[in-house]
Amino acid sequence: EAQVTQNPRYLITVTGKKLTVTCSQNMNHEYMSWYRQDPGLGLRQIYYSMNVEVTDKGDVPEGYKVSRKEKRNFPLILESPSPNQTSLYFCASSLTDSTDTQYFGPGTRLTVL
Amino acid sequence: AQSVAQPEDQVNVAEGNPLTVKCTYSVSGNPYLFWYVQYPNRGLQFLLKYITGDNLVKGSYGFEAEFNKSQTSFHLKKPSALVSDSALYFCAVRDRSYNTDKLIFGTGTRLQVFP
Repeated sequence: EAQVTQNPRYLITVTGKKLTVTCSQNMNHEYMSWYRQDPGLGLRQIYYSMNVEVTDKGDVPEGYKVSRKEKRNFPLILESPSPNQTSLYFCASSLTDSTDTQYFGPGTRLTVL
Repeated sequence: AQSVAQPEDQVNVAEGNPLTVKCTYSVSGNPYLFWYVQYPNRGLQFLLKYITGDNLVKGSYGFEAEFNKSQTSFHLKKPSALVSDSALYFCAVRDRSYNTDKLIFGTGTRLQVFP
């Protein structure tokens, strides 16, 4: 089944404790991205990647890192999480670029205490 | 900067009535516009997109959207609403400024269809 998976689905952590949210797709997509969803703010893009080893900042990249060492994986790294990073995070992928249909993962709800 | 606006936080419609969810955009150059839907506790799903061509775009689940260049709008429509259409709807625009390739989403409109 074609899908985008994220892990973990739920995470409660404390300020400053490094964490990684994994994202994997099995559709051989080139374009992958991370979003955060906050009430009243909609979805905001954090980072995106056009292909392996090619990443670029979205609109809210501060406090986040990403890497794209393999085509299928696009992990989101929070080196030192803070409470303002408490949010619902979505990974998405598409065939080549942002004009193609984006396939979203199920989401990761992160709480930073 | 490219942007989209969804002026209504919530739209309420009776089942069987037509529905409209509004979206306006601001872009330089030709717009690439999208609608996505989010059902409770799920990720977003693609509904339809406008790249070029016919101003009336048909999408999934009986939805359609009309691209209006003069009014810079891309409203989502459906002739007859179903209770199962109740969800959160997002309009989005492609941003190619500064050699990027990003999607800019609106703040979302919650559609409530009443039986």
